Amino acid sequence: DAGVIQSPRHEVTEMGQEVTLRCKPISGHNSLFWYRQTMMRGLELLIYFNNNVPIDDSGMPEDRFSAKMPNASFSTLKIQPSEPRDSAVYFCASSLQVRDSGYTFGSGTRLTVV
Amino acid sequence: EDKVVQSPLSLVVHEGDTVTLNCSYEVTNFRSLLWYKQEKKAPTFLFMLTSSGIEKKSGRLSSILDKKELFSILNITATQTGDSAIYLCAFFSGNTGKLIFGQGTTLQVKP
Repeated sequence: DAGVIQSPRHEVTEMGQEVTLRCKPISGHNSLFWYRQTMMRGLELLIYFNNNVPIDDSGMPEDRFSAKMPNASFSTLKIQPSEPRDSAVYFCASSLQVRDSGYTFGSGTRLTVV
Repeated sequence: EDKVVQSPLSLVVHEGDTVTLNCSYEVTNFRSLLWYKQEKKAPTFLFMLTSSGIEKKSGRLSSILDKKELFSILNITATQTGDSAIYLCAFFSGNTGKLIFGQGTTLQVKP
């Protein structure tokens, strides 16, 4: 089991550019979560999917953020246009069910917007 | 609004010390509370607590939940430098099913 796989590991981009973060959940897991971590705000839930369907996107900060899950093995988080305040570590996690204790996190994507 | 508050935000101790990390919460429909350890990368699961007064234990780490006073503690005895990490408290909101995290406590264990 390779765990939750995120790419890229690091991303540095200029303000205004589009950024796409990718996640492959653990095979068989039905729920997928995108979190953002900053020093100021800690770990914040942005959006989560259950069976590929977005259930709650209330944590998405602005319309510049969007997420998709076209199939059970792939999800993307897109920021367009990016801004310096989007700089953070973005984590993807998956679990068998939404309330399952076994959230497995990926290694994260460290995004820096300059 | 559901929230969870951890204290202290940071802590520096020496090897061999015992530490107690605190987590208090306000949740309208509480289901369970979880502790995670985050080293350089992803948070890793430590404990899940659903019932008051029942201690969960794993090696030198233990945790307990008080549903009346709405808090949980995480104890680490005989700390080692490898215990240096961010310790995160989180709960499942019964209303939304979402896992909500606290700010975390950054623990540094010095040799």
